[in-house]
Amino acid sequence: AQSVAQPEDQVNVAEGNPLTVKCTYSVSGNPYLFWYVQYPNRGLQFLLKYITGDNLVKGSYGFEAEFNKSQTSFHLKKPSALVSDSALYFCAVRASGGSTLGRLYFGRGTQLTVWP
Amino acid sequence: DGGITQSPKYLFRKEGQNVTLSCEQNLNHDAMYWYRQDPGQGLRLIYYSQIVNDFQKGDIAEGYSVSREKKESFPLTVTSAQKNPTAFYLCASTPDFGPQHFGDGTRLSIL
Repeated sequence: AQSVAQPEDQVNVAEGNPLTVKCTYSVSGNPYLFWYVQYPNRGLQFLLKYITGDNLVKGSYGFEAEFNKSQTSFHLKKPSALVSDSALYFCAVRASGGSTLGRLYFGRGTQLTVWP
Repeated sequence: DGGITQSPKYLFRKEGQNVTLSCEQNLNHDAMYWYRQDPGQGLRLIYYSQIVNDFQKGDIAEGYSVSREKKESFPLTVTSAQKNPTAFYLCASTPDFGPQHFGDGTRLSIL
């Protein structure tokens, strides 16, 4: 069965400091991994994805994520946090095979707060 | 611009009433999804459709129904059988191997 864990409900960081939002996954076969961000009363916005290739993936707004197959992790990172990065972040996984086209399994979300 | 339009943004339901949430996309995506979002629970899949005139139950389909008569449209009906319908509902679509695209959601409340 596919699943995603985001072990931290909340992450607090000071502006200008690096941030990390953690994600681990369980999937049959090779994973397709995604990060999304959600602002209040809005839908999810796509940040970045890992399908294959380089383990370090760069995405929108200066975010990047590192795929680690041995640890089944896909942590989201940013070298220097901004107050405007404060939002709810979701990690998601999709199995590379199977008949459920595009179905994603989401973590419970991590609320990121960046303090000025 | 291409995207997903959900309407209405806010919706109120009376006891015993069915309500329908609209989802329209002009991205030419085959697959569409409905999620329910509750605080602290992430997104839970209600129904999904991979092609017109076909759909499958997700993890929490009880009390909900859908139709997929057109590629562009995937409406969700919250029936009176859904006893706790208050939530934020999100519609999404996806191309074959790309990320899901989301609408801006409908917030459903009970009067």
